[in-house]
Amino acid sequence: KQEVTQIPAALSVPEGENLVLNCSFTDSAIYNLQWFRQDPGKGLTSLLLIQSSQREQTSGRLNASLDKSSGRSTLYIAASQPGDSATYLCAVKIAPGYSTLTFGKGTMLLVSP
Amino acid sequence: ETGVTQTPRHLVMGMTNKKSLKCEQHLGHNAMYWYKQSAKKPLELMFVYNFKEQTENNSVPSRFSPECPNSSHLFLHLHTLQPEDSALYLCASSQDSRINYGYTFGSGTRLTVV
Repeated sequence: KQEVTQIPAALSVPEGENLVLNCSFTDSAIYNLQWFRQDPGKGLTSLLLIQSSQREQTSGRLNASLDKSSGRSTLYIAASQPGDSATYLCAVKIAPGYSTLTFGKGTMLLVSP
Repeated sequence: ETGVTQTPRHLVMGMTNKKSLKCEQHLGHNAMYWYKQSAKKPLELMFVYNFKEQTENNSVPSRFSPECPNSSHLFLHLHTLQPEDSALYLCASSQDSRINYGYTFGSGTRLTVV
Protein backbone atom coordinates (compact mmCIF):
# COMPACT_ATOMS: atom_id res chain seq x y z
CA LYS A 1 0.00 0.00 0.00
CA GLN A 2 1.35 3.40 -1.02
CA GLU A 3 2.12 5.75 1.88
CA VAL A 4 3.13 9.38 1.58
CA THR A 5 5.09 11.15 4.30
CA GLN A 6 5.75 14.86 4.53
CA ILE A 7 8.49 16.39 6.63
CA PRO A 8 8.44 18.65 8.51
CA ALA A 9 4.88 18.67 9.80
CA ALA A 10 5.18 22.39 10.53
CA LEU A 11 7.65 25.08 9.60
CA SER A 12 7.99 28.70 10.66
CA VAL A 13 10.33 31.04 8.80
CA PRO A 14 10.89 34.79 8.51
CA GLU A 15 9.90 36.52 5.30
CA GLY A 16 12.45 36.35 2.52
CA GLU A 17 13.89 32.95 3.32
CA ASN A 18 14.22 30.19 0.77
CA LEU A 19 12.76 26.95 2.03
CA VAL A 20 12.32 23.30 1.11
CA LEU A 21 9.41 21.02 1.87
CA ASN A 22 9.91 17.30 1.62
CA CYS A 23 7.66 14.48 0.45
CA SER A 24 8.51 10.78 0.36
CA PHE A 25 6.50 7.84 -0.91
CA THR A 26 6.96 4.14 -0.28
CA ASP A 27 6.22 2.73 -3.73
CA SER A 28 8.30 4.31 -6.48
CA ALA A 29 5.95 3.04 -9.21
CA ILE A 30 3.97 6.26 -9.40
CA TYR A 31 2.32 7.83 -12.42
CA ASN A 32 2.59 11.43 -11.27
CA LEU A 33 2.99 13.60 -8.20
CA GLN A 34 1.21 16.82 -7.35
CA TRP A 35 1.74 19.57 -4.84
CA PHE A 36 -1.31 21.36 -3.48
CA ARG A 37 -1.80 24.32 -1.21
CA GLN A 38 -4.59 24.51 1.36
CA ASP A 39 -5.50 27.72 3.15
CA PRO A 40 -7.21 27.42 6.57
CA GLY A 41 -10.80 26.25 6.21
CA LYS A 42 -10.52 26.12 2.44
CA GLY A 43 -10.19 23.56 -0.29
CA LEU A 44 -7.04 22.61 -2.15
CA THR A 45 -5.36 24.58 -4.92
CA SER A 46 -3.13 22.67 -7.30
CA LEU A 47 0.36 24.17 -7.51
CA LEU A 48 2.50 21.84 -9.60
CA LEU A 49 2.12 18.50 -11.33
CA ILE A 50 5.15 16.35 -12.16
CA GLN A 51 4.74 13.38 -14.45
CA SER A 52 6.80 10.31 -13.60
CA SER A 53 9.04 10.91 -16.63
CA GLN A 54 9.89 14.45 -15.49
CA ARG A 55 12.50 15.60 -13.00
CA GLU A 56 11.10 19.00 -12.07
CA GLN A 57 8.47 21.62 -12.69
CA THR A 58 8.60 25.34 -12.03
CA SER A 59 5.93 27.96 -11.50
CA GLY A 60 7.03 31.41 -10.43
CA ARG A 61 8.85 31.15 -7.11
CA LEU A 62 7.97 27.46 -6.77
CA ASN A 63 10.08 24.60 -8.01
CA ALA A 64 9.18 20.96 -7.47
CA SER A 65 11.59 18.11 -8.10
CA LEU A 66 10.97 14.40 -8.37
CA ASP A 67 13.37 11.52 -7.80
CA LYS A 68 11.15 8.53 -8.47
CA SER A 69 13.79 5.90 -7.83
CA SER A 70 14.38 7.12 -4.29
CA GLY A 71 10.73 7.90 -3.66
CA ARG A 72 11.22 11.59 -2.97
CA SER A 73 9.97 14.96 -4.05
CA THR A 74 10.84 18.43 -2.81
CA LEU A 75 9.01 21.71 -3.11
CA TYR A 76 11.34 24.69 -3.11
CA ILE A 77 9.87 28.10 -2.32
CA ALA A 78 12.11 31.05 -3.09
CA ALA A 79 11.98 34.37 -1.26
CA SER A 80 9.06 33.36 0.94
CA GLN A 81 6.27 35.83 1.66
CA PRO A 82 3.58 35.99 4.38
CA GLY A 83 1.03 35.13 1.69
CA ASP A 84 2.76 31.75 1.27
CA SER A 85 1.51 30.75 4.73
CA ALA A 86 -0.67 27.68 4.23
CA THR A 87 -0.57 23.90 4.45
CA TYR A 88 1.23 22.24 1.55
CA LEU A 89 0.09 18.78 0.54
CA CYS A 90 1.86 16.24 -1.62
CA ALA A 91 -0.15 13.58 -3.47
CA VAL A 92 0.83 10.71 -5.73
CA LYS A 93 -1.16 8.88 -8.37
CA ILE A 94 -0.26 5.26 -8.83
CA ALA A 95 -1.48 4.53 -12.34
CA PRO A 96 -3.13 6.15 -15.34
CA GLY A 97 -6.88 5.90 -15.34
CA TYR A 98 -6.91 4.98 -11.67
CA SER A 99 -8.33 8.01 -10.02
CA THR A 100 -7.15 7.71 -6.44
CA LEU A 101 -4.63 10.22 -5.21
CA THR A 102 -2.71 9.22 -2.07
CA PHE A 103 -2.05 12.27 0.06
CA GLY A 104 0.47 13.08 2.75
CA LYS A 105 -0.61 14.80 5.96
CA GLY A 106 0.89 18.07 4.81
CA THR A 107 3.39 20.64 6.01
CA MET A 108 1.94 23.69 7.74
CA LEU A 109 4.02 26.71 6.75
CA LEU A 110 4.01 30.04 8.55
CA VAL A 111 5.96 32.93 7.05
CA SER A 112 6.23 35.85 9.44
CA PRO A 113 6.75 39.46 8.29
CA GLU B 1 -14.90 30.57 -4.89
CA THR B 2 -12.94 28.19 -7.07
CA GLY B 3 -15.73 27.07 -9.40
CA VAL B 4 -16.76 24.23 -7.11
CA THR B 5 -19.36 25.34 -4.58
CA GLN B 6 -20.14 23.38 -1.45
CA THR B 7 -23.06 23.95 0.90
CA PRO B 8 -23.43 24.27 3.75
CA ARG B 9 -20.03 25.57 4.85
CA HIS B 10 -20.63 24.37 8.40
CA LEU B 11 -22.97 21.70 9.74
CA VAL B 12 -23.61 20.45 13.26
CA MET B 13 -25.78 17.37 13.52
CA GLY B 14 -26.83 14.86 16.11
CA MET B 15 -26.12 11.18 15.69
CA THR B 16 -29.75 10.43 14.85
CA ASN B 17 -30.17 13.20 12.29
CA LYS B 18 -30.28 12.91 8.53
CA LYS B 19 -28.62 15.64 6.52
CA SER B 20 -27.14 16.13 3.07
CA LEU B 21 -24.06 17.89 1.76
CA LYS B 22 -24.24 19.48 -1.67
CA CYS B 23 -21.57 20.11 -4.25
CA GLU B 24 -22.04 21.99 -7.52
CA GLN B 25 -19.72 22.80 -10.38
CA HIS B 26 -20.25 24.57 -13.68
CA LEU B 27 -16.79 23.98 -15.07
CA GLY B 28 -17.96 21.45 -17.63
CA HIS B 29 -16.26 18.67 -15.69
CA ASN B 30 -17.50 15.12 -15.87
CA ALA B 31 -15.88 13.65 -12.76
CA MET B 32 -16.74 14.52 -9.20
CA TYR B 33 -15.21 13.33 -5.95
CA TRP B 34 -15.86 13.30 -2.22
CA TYR B 35 -12.87 13.47 0.12
CA LYS B 36 -12.74 13.37 3.91
CA GLN B 37 -10.13 15.38 5.79
CA SER B 38 -9.82 14.53 9.47
CA ALA B 39 -7.49 16.20 11.91
CA LYS B 40 -4.02 14.65 11.95
CA LYS B 41 -4.82 12.28 9.06
CA PRO B 42 -4.17 12.45 5.32
CA LEU B 43 -6.95 13.38 2.95
CA GLU B 44 -9.00 10.26 2.18
CA LEU B 45 -10.90 9.60 -1.04
CA MET B 46 -14.47 8.45 -0.38
CA PHE B 47 -16.32 8.27 -3.70
CA VAL B 48 -15.71 8.96 -7.37
CA TYR B 49 -18.29 9.59 -10.07
CA ASN B 50 -17.34 9.75 -13.73
CA PHE B 51 -20.04 10.73 -16.23
CA LYS B 52 -22.62 10.21 -13.46
CA GLU B 53 -21.52 6.64 -12.80
CA GLN B 54 -19.92 5.71 -9.50
CA THR B 55 -16.50 4.31 -10.28
CA GLU B 56 -15.03 4.11 -6.81
CA ASN B 57 -16.26 3.51 -3.29
CA ASN B 58 -13.27 3.47 -1.01
CA SER B 59 -14.77 1.13 1.62
CA VAL B 60 -16.94 3.91 3.01
CA PRO B 61 -19.54 2.95 5.68
CA SER B 62 -23.11 2.80 4.45
CA ARG B 63 -24.11 5.70 6.72
CA PHE B 64 -22.58 7.83 3.93
CA SER B 65 -24.62 7.64 0.73
CA PRO B 66 -23.55 9.57 -2.38
CA GLU B 67 -25.81 10.70 -5.18
CA CYS B 68 -24.86 12.18 -8.54
CA PRO B 69 -28.01 13.19 -10.48
CA ASN B 70 -25.97 14.88 -13.23
CA SER B 71 -22.39 15.82 -13.98
CA SER B 72 -22.77 19.20 -12.28
CA HIS B 73 -24.15 18.09 -8.93
CA LEU B 74 -23.00 15.72 -6.24
CA PHE B 75 -24.60 15.02 -2.90
CA LEU B 76 -23.49 13.17 0.21
CA HIS B 77 -26.42 11.96 2.29
CA LEU B 78 -25.63 11.41 5.94
CA HIS B 79 -27.54 9.37 8.52
CA THR B 80 -26.81 7.96 11.98
CA LEU B 81 -23.29 9.32 11.97
CA GLN B 82 -20.73 8.86 14.72
CA PRO B 83 -18.65 11.54 16.45
CA GLU B 84 -15.54 10.23 14.64
CA ASP B 85 -17.20 11.24 11.36
CA SER B 86 -16.60 14.87 12.30
CA ALA B 87 -14.27 16.24 9.63
CA LEU B 88 -13.93 18.59 6.69
CA TYR B 89 -15.65 17.06 3.66
CA LEU B 90 -14.20 18.25 0.39
CA CYS B 91 -15.72 17.95 -3.03
CA ALA B 92 -13.59 18.07 -6.16
CA SER B 93 -14.15 17.87 -9.88
CA SER B 94 -12.05 17.19 -12.94
CA GLN B 95 -12.58 16.78 -16.66
CA ASP B 96 -12.53 12.99 -16.47
CA SER B 97 -11.40 10.73 -13.65
CA ARG B 98 -9.19 8.84 -16.12
CA ILE B 99 -7.25 12.05 -16.81
CA ASN B 100 -4.59 12.55 -14.23
CA TYR B 101 -4.63 16.25 -13.51
CA GLY B 102 -6.82 19.31 -13.41
CA TYR B 103 -8.59 18.82 -10.10
CA THR B 104 -10.62 21.73 -8.74
CA PHE B 105 -11.57 21.56 -5.08
CA GLY B 106 -14.38 23.25 -3.21
CA SER B 107 -13.89 24.98 0.13
CA GLY B 108 -15.45 22.11 2.02
CA THR B 109 -18.18 21.51 4.58
CA ARG B 110 -17.00 21.43 8.18
CA LEU B 111 -19.13 18.70 9.80
CA THR B 112 -19.45 18.26 13.54
CA VAL B 113 -21.35 15.26 14.88
CA VAL B 114 -22.53 15.65 18.46
